[in-house]
Amino acid sequence: DQQVKQNSPSLSVQEGRISILNCDYTNSMFDYFLWYKKYPAEGPTFLISISSIKDKNEDGRFTVFLNKSAKHLSLHIVPSQPGDSAVYFCAAHTGGGNKLTFGTGTQLKVEL
Amino acid sequence: NAGVMQNPRHLVRRRGQEARLRCSPVKGHSHVYWYRQLPEEGLKFMVYLQKENIIDESGMPKERFSAEFPKEGPSILRIQQVVRGDSAAYFCASSPPGAGELFFGEGSRLTVL
Repeated sequence: DQQVKQNSPSLSVQEGRISILNCDYTNSMFDYFLWYKKYPAEGPTFLISISSIKDKNEDGRFTVFLNKSAKHLSLHIVPSQPGDSAVYFCAAHTGGGNKLTFGTGTQLKVEL
Repeated sequence: NAGVMQNPRHLVRRRGQEARLRCSPVKGHSHVYWYRQLPEEGLKFMVYLQKENIIDESGMPKERFSAEFPKEGPSILRIQQVVRGDSAAYFCASSPPGAGELFFGEGSRLTVL
């Protein structure tokens, strides 16, 4: 039962353009959502998060949008840079604790 | 400040042996989580511990796997009688109480021959 889904296993974008990574969830009890970035042979690093009481959170080149009615969130990276090439994981948890449920990840490749 | 420290980074075991993976959380963090990433898959929750207590072990296989976070020392994930299907990257994460974000270590990669 995959409660957090990232349906695109990979995405390729040109440098300078916008990258949009998508994530869907099924558990309506999720109230906090996070994006993590992972390079090969390293652990995931936290990127940005959003509470369910908001619909947008922005941090520099990264913006996360949340559509609760559609149970959908997206991560926008603009402008995309080659160093952004990594696997991006969407994650969520309920208010009861910190246990995170992860999606399967999207491999982003930013090309020159 | 040191982040989450995991060791060993790489571990090779033969079928039937035991694997012990260690995790030292960020200083001051009292919550530890273990996740497993199988090849071509996302991170799967295994267990959530606080000092001397297992809070949630709903993701732990019923047999051969155990975890502890003693009062002193690192958290240990123990896998007895390893099988080839246990080959994976095992990530530890920590957080302070009430935080929404987890801080991950670099992982321990277990290979079972």
